Amino acid sequence: EVQLVESGGGLVQPGRSLRLSCVASGFTFGDYAMHWVRQAPGRGPEWVSSIHWNTVDIAYADSVKGRFTISRDNAKNSLYLQMDSLRAEDTALYYCSKDKAIQLWPTYFEPWGQGTQVTVSS
Amino acid sequence: EIVLTQSPATLSLSPGERVTLSCRASQSVFGYLAWYQQKPGQAPRLLMYDVSNRATGIPARFSGSGSGTDFTLTISSLEPEDSAIYYCHQRSRWPLTFGGGTKVEIK
Repeated sequence: EVQLVESGGGLVQPGRSLRLSCVASGFTFGDYAMHWVRQAPGRGPEWVSSIHWNTVDIAYADSVKGRFTISRDNAKNSLYLQMDSLRAEDTALYYCSKDKAIQLWPTYFEPWGQGTQVTVSS
Repeated sequence: EIVLTQSPATLSLSPGERVTLSCRASQSVFGYLAWYQQKPGQAPRLLMYDVSNRATGIPARFSGSGSGTDFTLTISSLEPEDSAIYYCHQRSRWPLTFGGGTKVEIK
C-alpha cells in the first residue's frame, strides 16, 4: 500500500522559513514524479511544485517561484519543500502527492498524503 | 494559465438521482483532465483521469466524458457516500490547475 507522510508544518512568522518533508513507502519512489499541492481553508487545491523522477526537471507555481525549492532524495524515499520568505497567503494544508504514472510527468495526483498545516502569522 | 470553471457551485439531490457536474476550460486541455473527490477532513482522491478512465477502486456509477474545453462528471445513481466536493484538474499545460469545485449534497 502506498503511504505518504508529511511533516514539518507549523506556525511561523511572515518572512521566515519552513522545510516540509514527505516520506514515501509502498512503491519504488525513484520511478515517479512527485508533487506538492496546497489547500487554503475553504478553498480548492492549488498546485505548488513538481519534481521529475530524474530529480532535475522541476516546476513551480508562479506564486511560489523564487521562494520555494522542491527537492528529493531517492535513497531516502523522501520529498522536500524548502519554503522561504513565507507570506500570510502561504497559509494552507500542504499535501505531498505521487504522480499516477511511472516514469512520466506530469500526469495526475494519486494518492495524496494527509497533509501538514502551515500557518504564517505574526 | 488554463482556468477551469466548474458548475454548479452546489447541488442538492436525493439518493438514486442522476448527477451531472460540469468543468469548462479556458483553452483546450485535449484529453488531459481528471476529477477528484474530497470529503470533509480528508485529502482529495483521484476519481477519473484522462477524461473517462476510472481510478482504481472507483465504482462504475462514476463516469466522465468530454473533450477540448467541456467536460462532464456523471454519477448515474447518487449514493449517500457520494456527498463531497468534486474538483476537476488539467495536466495539459503548466501550471497545473484545478477548478473551484462543486459541492454535492444529499437531501
